[in-house]
Amino acid sequence: DAGVIQSPRHEVTEMGQEVTLRCKPISGHDYLFWYRQTMMRGLELLIYFNNNVPIDDSGMPEDRFSAKMPNASFSTLKIQPSEPRDSAVYFCASSLGETPVGSTAYGYTFGSGTRLTVV
Amino acid sequence: RKEVEQDPGPFNVPEGATVAFNCTYSNSASQSFFWYRQDCRKEPKLLMSVYSSGNEDGRFTAQLNRASQYISLLIRDSKLSDSATYLCVVNYVYSGGGADGLTFGKGTHLIIQP
Repeated sequence: DAGVIQSPRHEVTEMGQEVTLRCKPISGHDYLFWYRQTMMRGLELLIYFNNNVPIDDSGMPEDRFSAKMPNASFSTLKIQPSEPRDSAVYFCASSLGETPVGSTAYGYTFGSGTRLTVV
Repeated sequence: RKEVEQDPGPFNVPEGATVAFNCTYSNSASQSFFWYRQDCRKEPKLLMSVYSSGNEDGRFTAQLNRASQYISLLIRDSKLSDSATYLCVVNYVYSGGGADGLTFGKGTHLIIQP
């Protein structure tokens, strides 16, 4: 398996522009997570999906952020409009999961991340 | 409130030494615990799960103390390649029994010196 695939690896954009981050989870994994990592706040969970359905989006910072998972093999995280404070590394992760999420048998597999810089 | 607390370090340790770090968590109902390793500018990768009875994987030993709500990671005979950030990870369980995604500590930075 190729693992979790994220694109692009790097994104530099101007404030106010729309940014779309993409993720392909590992085939057969039914949980997908979007995390954001900064030096100040560490890894923060933004949203997660189970079987393509958003379960908890309480970590999404504000209405400028939205995420979709139209099918089991693809998810997007969109920021519109982007701001400099959105600059961070955005990770997608997937898991076989079970109840409770992330139980002892399984950890998460992360993608390589998208390094976003908003200038 | 979800909290996973770690000493950020850095821990500067000579090669071959033994090093240990702890992590505390706030939710007593948490059920799953992990240590992840993250290299500079890379994604976090699962190092090991942490079981109630403690577990060992080669030079690495993880312990869980539910009464005091902390987990620990011990690295014996440290290698230069062990230099990384080690993230403590806990799942949170709500009072109603529902579970949330994993919550990550900010990590402990370890530097192994030759």
